[in-house]
Amino acid sequence: KAGVTQTPRYLIKTRGQQVTLSCSPISGHRSVSWYQQTPGQGLQFLFEYFSETQRNKGNFPGRFSGRQFSNSRSEMNVSTLELGDSALYLCASSLVSGRVEQFFGPGTRLTVL
Amino acid sequence: DQQVKQNSPSLSVQEGRISILNCDYTNSMFDYFLWYKKYPAEGPTFLISISSIKDKNEDGRFTVFLNKSAKHLSLHIVPSQPGDSAVYFCAASRGNQFYFGTGTSLTVIP
Repeated sequence: KAGVTQTPRYLIKTRGQQVTLSCSPISGHRSVSWYQQTPGQGLQFLFEYFSETQRNKGNFPGRFSGRQFSNSRSEMNVSTLELGDSALYLCASSLVSGRVEQFFGPGTRLTVL
Repeated sequence: DQQVKQNSPSLSVQEGRISILNCDYTNSMFDYFLWYKKYPAEGPTFLISISSIKDKNEDGRFTVFLNKSAKHLSLHIVPSQPGDSAVYFCAASRGNQFYFGTGTSLTVIP
Protein backbone atom coordinates (compact mmCIF):
# COMPACT_ATOMS: atom_id res chain seq x y z
CA LYS A 1 0.00 0.00 0.00
CA ALA A 2 1.48 3.36 -0.99
CA GLY A 3 2.27 5.79 1.80
CA VAL A 4 1.31 9.42 2.20
CA THR A 5 2.69 11.53 -0.62
CA GLN A 6 3.27 15.25 -0.60
CA THR A 7 4.08 17.53 -3.51
CA PRO A 8 6.18 19.43 -4.09
CA ARG A 9 8.99 18.32 -1.78
CA TYR A 10 10.77 21.66 -1.93
CA LEU A 11 9.50 25.13 -2.69
CA ILE A 12 11.06 28.58 -2.71
CA LYS A 13 8.82 31.63 -2.70
CA THR A 14 9.18 35.32 -1.99
CA ARG A 15 7.33 37.41 0.57
CA GLY A 16 3.81 38.32 -0.44
CA GLN A 17 3.33 35.38 -2.77
CA GLN A 18 0.93 32.55 -2.15
CA VAL A 19 1.57 28.82 -2.22
CA THR A 20 -0.46 25.63 -2.48
CA LEU A 21 0.77 22.33 -1.09
CA SER A 22 -0.76 18.97 -1.91
CA CYS A 23 -1.19 15.79 0.09
CA SER A 24 -2.42 12.38 -1.05
CA PRO A 25 -3.33 10.16 1.91
CA ILE A 26 -3.01 6.40 2.15
CA SER A 27 -5.76 4.72 0.19
CA GLY A 28 -8.85 4.33 2.36
CA HIS A 29 -7.81 6.97 4.87
CA ARG A 30 -10.41 9.69 5.28
CA SER A 31 -8.72 11.97 7.78
CA VAL A 32 -5.93 14.34 6.76
CA SER A 33 -4.11 16.66 9.17
CA TRP A 34 -1.55 19.34 8.44
CA TYR A 35 1.33 20.38 10.68
CA GLN A 36 4.03 23.02 10.56
CA GLN A 37 7.44 22.07 11.88
CA THR A 38 10.00 24.73 12.73
CA PRO A 39 13.22 24.41 14.76
CA GLY A 40 12.47 24.61 18.46
CA GLN A 41 8.70 24.56 17.99
CA GLY A 42 8.05 20.94 17.24
CA LEU A 43 5.02 20.10 15.17
CA GLN A 44 2.29 22.71 15.34
CA PHE A 45 -1.19 21.58 14.35
CA LEU A 46 -2.72 23.55 11.49
CA PHE A 47 -6.01 21.80 10.72
CA GLU A 48 -7.68 18.47 10.16
CA TYR A 49 -10.10 17.43 7.45
CA PHE A 50 -12.38 14.44 7.54
CA SER A 51 -14.76 13.58 4.70
CA GLU A 52 -14.22 17.00 3.09
CA THR A 53 -15.08 18.88 6.28
CA GLN A 54 -12.67 20.78 8.48
CA ARG A 55 -12.97 19.15 11.89
CA ASN A 56 -10.47 21.16 13.84
CA LYS A 57 -8.19 24.15 13.42
CA GLY A 58 -5.03 25.15 15.21
CA ASN A 59 -3.95 28.61 16.26
CA PHE A 60 -2.78 29.97 12.92
CA PRO A 61 -3.84 33.15 11.08
CA GLY A 62 -6.46 33.08 8.36
CA ARG A 63 -3.72 33.22 5.72
CA PHE A 64 -3.49 29.47 6.24
CA SER A 65 -6.35 27.55 4.71
CA GLY A 66 -7.05 24.12 3.38
CA ARG A 67 -9.54 21.87 1.75
CA GLN A 68 -10.19 18.21 1.13
CA PHE A 69 -11.56 16.63 -2.00
CA SER A 70 -13.97 13.74 -2.39
CA ASN A 71 -11.05 11.34 -2.97
CA SER A 72 -9.58 12.46 0.40
CA ARG A 73 -6.69 14.31 -1.22
CA SER A 74 -6.03 17.58 0.55
CA GLU A 75 -4.47 20.91 -0.29
CA MET A 76 -3.12 23.59 1.98
CA ASN A 77 -2.84 27.19 0.88
CA VAL A 78 -0.84 30.00 2.43
CA SER A 79 -1.48 33.50 1.14
CA THR A 80 0.65 36.63 1.53
CA LEU A 81 3.71 34.67 2.56
CA GLU A 82 5.91 35.96 5.36
CA LEU A 83 9.51 35.07 6.18
CA GLY A 84 8.31 33.27 9.31
CA ASP A 85 6.29 30.84 7.19
CA SER A 86 9.51 29.10 6.19
CA ALA A 87 9.12 25.62 7.62
CA LEU A 88 8.59 21.96 6.91
CA TYR A 89 4.90 21.31 6.30
CA LEU A 90 3.82 17.78 7.13
CA CYS A 91 0.65 16.04 6.17
CA ALA A 92 -0.64 13.02 8.08
CA SER A 93 -3.48 10.66 7.29
CA SER A 94 -5.46 8.20 9.35
CA LEU A 95 -8.39 5.87 8.79
CA VAL A 96 -10.67 7.85 11.02
CA SER A 97 -10.51 11.02 13.06
CA GLY A 98 -9.39 10.89 16.66
CA ARG A 99 -7.46 8.47 18.84
CA VAL A 100 -5.61 6.56 16.18
CA GLU A 101 -2.08 6.64 14.87
CA GLN A 102 -1.37 9.01 12.04
CA PHE A 103 0.82 8.22 9.06
CA PHE A 104 3.01 11.07 7.94
CA GLY A 105 4.26 12.07 4.54
CA PRO A 106 7.84 13.24 3.96
CA GLY A 107 6.83 16.89 4.09
CA THR A 108 7.20 19.94 1.89
CA ARG A 109 10.11 22.23 2.73
CA LEU A 110 8.96 25.81 2.11
CA THR A 111 11.51 28.61 2.05
CA VAL A 112 10.29 32.20 1.92
CA LEU A 113 12.85 34.77 0.77
CA ASP B 1 1.32 27.73 24.80
CA GLN B 2 3.22 24.44 24.63
CA GLN B 3 0.96 21.82 26.19
CA VAL B 4 3.40 18.98 25.54
CA LYS B 5 7.03 19.50 26.46
CA GLN B 6 10.21 17.56 25.87
CA ASN B 7 12.79 19.33 27.97
CA SER B 8 15.81 17.40 26.73
CA PRO B 9 16.68 18.42 23.17
CA SER B 10 19.28 15.66 22.91
CA LEU B 11 20.38 12.40 24.50
CA SER B 12 23.39 10.14 23.90
CA VAL B 13 23.44 6.50 24.97
CA GLN B 14 25.85 3.60 24.50
CA GLU B 15 24.69 0.73 22.32
CA GLY B 16 23.08 -2.00 24.43
CA ARG B 17 22.13 0.36 27.24
CA ILE B 18 18.69 1.73 28.06
CA SER B 19 17.47 4.97 26.47
CA ILE B 20 14.88 6.92 28.45
CA LEU B 21 13.09 9.77 26.73
CA ASN B 22 10.82 11.99 28.76
CA CYS B 23 7.77 14.07 28.03
CA ASP B 24 5.58 16.29 30.24
CA TYR B 25 2.12 17.61 29.51
CA THR B 26 -0.11 20.19 31.10
CA ASN B 27 -3.63 19.28 30.01
CA SER B 28 -5.26 16.63 32.21
CA MET B 29 -7.92 16.11 29.52
CA PHE B 30 -5.50 14.36 27.18
CA ASP B 31 -6.62 10.75 26.82
CA TYR B 32 -4.25 9.24 24.28
CA PHE B 33 -0.49 9.48 24.01
CA LEU B 34 1.90 8.47 21.26
CA TRP B 35 5.58 8.39 20.41
CA TYR B 36 6.91 8.99 16.92
CA LYS B 37 10.39 8.57 15.50
CA LYS B 38 11.74 10.82 12.76
CA TYR B 39 14.75 10.32 10.53
CA PRO B 40 16.16 13.24 8.50
CA ALA B 41 14.27 13.97 5.28
CA GLU B 42 11.42 11.66 6.30
CA GLY B 43 8.11 12.21 8.03
CA PRO B 44 7.58 10.98 11.60
CA THR B 45 6.83 7.27 11.96
CA PHE B 46 4.49 5.94 14.63
CA LEU B 47 6.27 3.95 17.31
CA ILE B 48 3.97 3.15 20.22
CA SER B 49 0.90 4.54 21.96
CA ILE B 50 -0.88 4.35 25.29
CA SER B 51 -4.38 5.13 26.43
CA SER B 52 -4.91 7.22 29.54
CA ILE B 53 -6.59 4.24 31.23
CA LYS B 54 -3.29 2.36 31.24
CA ASP B 55 0.06 3.10 32.84
CA LYS B 56 2.29 0.91 30.70
CA ASN B 57 2.40 -0.44 27.17
CA GLU B 58 5.13 -2.61 25.75
CA ASP B 59 6.09 -3.49 22.18
CA GLY B 60 9.32 -5.38 21.75
CA ARG B 61 12.23 -3.19 22.81
CA PHE B 62 9.94 -0.19 23.35
CA THR B 63 7.94 0.49 26.50
CA VAL B 64 5.90 3.59 27.23
CA PHE B 65 5.05 4.56 30.80
CA LEU B 66 2.32 7.00 31.76
CA ASN B 67 2.16 8.74 35.13
CA LYS B 68 -1.10 10.67 35.09
CA SER B 69 -0.68 12.23 38.52
CA ALA B 70 2.65 13.72 37.44
CA LYS B 71 1.44 14.37 33.88
CA HIS B 72 4.54 12.58 32.68
CA LEU B 73 5.20 10.19 29.85
CA SER B 74 8.39 8.27 29.15
CA LEU B 75 9.70 5.97 26.45
CA HIS B 76 12.19 3.26 27.32
CA ILE B 77 14.25 1.58 24.62
CA VAL B 78 16.06 -1.58 25.74
CA PRO B 79 18.57 -2.46 24.43
CA SER B 80 19.40 0.63 22.39
CA GLN B 81 20.74 0.08 18.89
CA PRO B 82 22.55 2.45 16.51
CA GLY B 83 19.53 2.33 14.18
CA ASP B 84 17.48 3.94 16.96
CA SER B 85 19.36 7.20 16.43
CA ALA B 86 16.65 9.65 15.38
CA VAL B 87 14.49 12.46 16.70
CA TYR B 88 11.68 11.26 18.96
CA PHE B 89 8.45 13.20 19.36
CA CYS B 90 5.84 12.58 21.99
CA ALA B 91 2.26 13.56 21.23
CA ALA B 92 -0.97 13.80 23.18
CA SER B 93 -4.51 13.97 21.94
CA ARG B 94 -7.81 15.23 23.15
CA GLY B 95 -10.59 14.39 20.76
CA ASN B 96 -9.30 14.70 17.23
CA GLN B 97 -6.49 17.18 17.82
CA PHE B 98 -2.91 16.15 18.46
CA TYR B 99 -0.30 18.17 20.34
CA PHE B 100 3.36 17.40 19.76
CA GLY B 101 6.46 18.06 21.79
CA THR B 102 9.54 19.71 20.32
CA GLY B 103 11.45 16.45 20.00
CA THR B 104 14.50 14.79 21.54
CA SER B 105 17.41 13.82 19.32
CA LEU B 106 18.69 10.40 20.40
CA THR B 107 22.18 9.28 19.42
CA VAL B 108 23.12 5.67 20.11
CA ILE B 109 26.89 5.29 20.15
CA PRO B 110 28.23 1.96 18.82
